[in-house]
Amino acid sequence: QKEVEQDPGPLSVPEGAIVSLNCTYSNSAFQYFMWYRQYSRKGPELLMYTYSSGNKEDGRFTAQVDKSSKYISLFIRDSQPSDSATYLCAMRSGTYKYIFGTGTRLKVLA
Amino acid sequence: NAGVTQTPKFRILKIGQSMTLQCTQDMNHNYMYWYRQDPGMGLKLIYYSVGAGITDKGEVPNGYNVSRSTTEDFPLRLELAAPSQTSVYFCASSYQDSVQPQHFGDGTRLSIL
Repeated sequence: QKEVEQDPGPLSVPEGAIVSLNCTYSNSAFQYFMWYRQYSRKGPELLMYTYSSGNKEDGRFTAQVDKSSKYISLFIRDSQPSDSATYLCAMRSGTYKYIFGTGTRLKVLA
Repeated sequence: NAGVTQTPKFRILKIGQSMTLQCTQDMNHNYMYWYRQDPGMGLKLIYYSVGAGITDKGEVPNGYNVSRSTTEDFPLRLELAAPSQTSVYFCASSYQDSVQPQHFGDGTRLSIL
């Protein structure tokens, strides 16, 4: 079983839709949870990170963590074509151990 | 604001050749990392460094070497290139033991033929 599971997609939505991206994990030691956005032929770019269970909002993005269910989500409101990218979840336990999901490809159609 | 800079962006190598992937950061980050990204596999940690002169193996270190002589630079060395090392390589950096996550470069696409 992989430590982090993420649906690879692709996920296609119309412009303005609410997008839900999800990851599940198996390691209770994970403490920090991150979402990265990766455009084609670019490096991952940090979108949001959180430590605790609950919701964290930043503009059109909301990160949600449920430690009891080992489940994290990223919601994108009013999605735009510029949001079309691959979204990676990542988790950290200890000082250097970051585990990344395989990424979900999102396409927002104009 | 350069952040993390990787060179070259693309490279084709023949089996058995060697090369060094360069990485430099201007954020004064203590921690630096090398990952490889393969389709459907996510990012895998190759090596990491917690400061100048200190390096350690990650999940997939075989076939690679690193050095860290300065805070800014963290080169990755392939000594005998093999087709299995065809991948996209990302360098990242972060503050020491901080909740601040990693900042990534734009990657080096490497093909071994």
